[in-house]
Amino acid sequence: QAVLTQPSSLSASPGASASLTCTLRSDINVANYRIYWYQQKSGSPPQFLLRYSSDSDNQQGSGVPRRFSGSKDASANAGILLISGLQSEDEADYYCVIWDSSAWVFGGGTKLTVL
Amino acid sequence: QVQLQQSGPGLVKPSQTLSLTCVISGDSVSSNSAAWNWIRQSPSRDLEWLGRTYYRSKWYDDYALSVKGRITINPDTSKNQFSLQLNSVTPEDTAVYFCARNNQLNMFDSWGQGTLVTVSS
Repeated sequence: QAVLTQPSSLSASPGASASLTCTLRSDINVANYRIYWYQQKSGSPPQFLLRYSSDSDNQQGSGVPRRFSGSKDASANAGILLISGLQSEDEADYYCVIWDSSAWVFGGGTKLTVL
Repeated sequence: QVQLQQSGPGLVKPSQTLSLTCVISGDSVSSNSAAWNWIRQSPSRDLEWLGRTYYRSKWYDDYALSVKGRITINPDTSKNQFSLQLNSVTPEDTAVYFCARNNQLNMFDSWGQGTLVTVSS
């Protein structure tokens, strides 16, 4: 079982909200991790969006709009990236990342389509 | 503004060594608050962290288990750069390779432009 599991794709309409999930393997507890989110557009390296551990421990990337936000769902053992007011420019791949067992671990990424 | 500039060959033969260099401007490879990483992206878009080097009164490195034993990441303080060597490559090592900085908040905040490395005879 992968450490981090993300749905491979998600579609949403302009102006709507999209909730991207990052499910942790069952033997590791999301409560113990900071979840980092990155956006990657075609032909470019990933760009840092935000880090979320709790409402009192989170960090927004420089210049990242507030319509990008993070949260956790303890019952699902998952980190969540919420994008509100979707715009066409949000169409990209989104990756979650954690630091686990002395290594950075990436999720498989979610391709977000805005249509 | 930190900038990372990568260089290295785009084609490597199977069983040979992949070598890439990342030149740093706007920061120091010897920074006490940064770490210098290599990350690759497979043709299927999967991202994989390979390893890092960092300085905290002495040099440290960490490597992913998937490549441990084949990988070396070395800092070069005289040129303010760091390098990746991956030995005994196979076609499965074909990927876009990125260098990246972890800042003091542990986010990857600066990336190289990426280098497509193809392993093929």
